[in-house]
Amino acid sequence: DTGVSQNPRHKITKRGQNVTFRCDPISEHNRLYWYRQTLGQGPEFLTYFQNEAQLEKSRLLSDRFSAERPKGSFSTLEIQRTEQGDSAMYLCASSLGSTVQETQYFGPGTRLLVL
Amino acid sequence: GDSVTQMEGPVTLSEEAFLTINCTYTATGYPSLFWYVQYPGEGLQLLLKATKADDKGSNKGFEATYRKETTSFHLEKGSVQVSDSAVYFCALTLSGGSYIPTFGRGTSLIVHP
Repeated sequence: DTGVSQNPRHKITKRGQNVTFRCDPISEHNRLYWYRQTLGQGPEFLTYFQNEAQLEKSRLLSDRFSAERPKGSFSTLEIQRTEQGDSAMYLCASSLGSTVQETQYFGPGTRLLVL
Repeated sequence: GDSVTQMEGPVTLSEEAFLTINCTYTATGYPSLFWYVQYPGEGLQLLLKATKADDKGSNKGFEATYRKETTSFHLEKGSVQVSDSAVYFCALTLSGGSYIPTFGRGTSLIVHP
């Protein structure tokens, strides 16, 4: 399977704990995106990488969130001191290039529940 | 700012019925328009796209026409199947920027046998 993969698929944690999610994009894709999706809403952009460089971060991405893509391949999204409001589906997507027509390929998501 | 508005769901249809899911957009430039579909337990996948006015995107029996005059990109299918049950997202990207898509809220489609 050469699609986008995300791990874990589900995560339950207690408020105040740190969590880390991983995304493995399609191998030749340069761009990698993180989104958050809550029930009944579309994906909301969090941040994206062009190769290993993090080029843009949304206002939604508070200081408790950090993302890395150390070698321009896989990426991690860490949430520190989780809050109940962080409960959501976290989606990763990748794309080959950077044009207005570019298709994004999404992973299955990591569902986070903060108790 | 740029935004996408979709009709609220769920849309409930019987198999072989005609489907329309409305999508309108607000954008400062000339967007490319997309429909993505999310099947239960899966990530979003591209269904179709159109990159300029009057273009028609089509795939798997679905189609949508980019209407600049009405700022719309309605999704249609002539005869739905149970397997089309999913959530459908309309999205746009703008040229001259980072090409990050703006998504609508999604419309759930339920098709009964």
